[in-house]
Amino acid sequence: KQEVTQIPAALSVPEGENLVLNCSFTDSAIYNLQWFRQDPGKGLTSLLLIQSSQREQTSGRLNASLDKSSGRSTLYIAASQPGDSATYLCAVASRGRTGANSKLTFGKGITLSVRP
Amino acid sequence: GAVVSQHPSRVICKSGTSVKIECRSLDFQATTMFWYRQFPKQSLMLMATSNEGSKATYEQGVEKDKFLINHASLTLSTLTVTSAHPEDSSFYICSAQTGVLGQKLFFGSGTQLSVL
Repeated sequence: KQEVTQIPAALSVPEGENLVLNCSFTDSAIYNLQWFRQDPGKGLTSLLLIQSSQREQTSGRLNASLDKSSGRSTLYIAASQPGDSATYLCAVASRGRTGANSKLTFGKGITLSVRP
Repeated sequence: GAVVSQHPSRVICKSGTSVKIECRSLDFQATTMFWYRQFPKQSLMLMATSNEGSKATYEQGVEKDKFLINHASLTLSTLTVTSAHPEDSSFYICSAQTGVLGQKLFFGSGTQLSVL
């Protein structure tokens, strides 16, 4: 059974700091890994998707890496801003119950607070 | 990017009533939709996977008679919480994909259900 862990549960940093959010998963048989952002009481916004054959993806100030063999991913945020404050969720896609679909397993998320 | 619309965003109901939540893919055909539930400070938990025109596949521990899922068209899936009880109070989120394994999922904005 796939398990996704994100530690710590919360993080507070001053504005401008570069930071790394960690994610680990137990089963390396994945299709892809995604990082999402969730604002309080809202749905999810996909930030980056890394296919199992890829090592990293970049979008603006965000960079996500994937080491499938060790079951780890990191989300790097450069020059953090107060607007980056949100919960960041890591999710891995693996084979679903029917085999015809993929299933996302989520971590509990890391709540980031960027202080002005 | 693709848009998934979810309604209502918030619903308060009395215990024993049924509540229907709609999830629509606005600019793409979603052969597969997923329904998740999220309790405060917890990760999203997959409830069921629905493919257009067929019965939903429920995850272990999810009561199919309580959480009725209908995916009648390629752009609409509904989740009906029947005879809701206070313990059903949660944040429900749908997501949709085009049915190809390993592709990005698009999420609705979520529905906060409060059962009094």
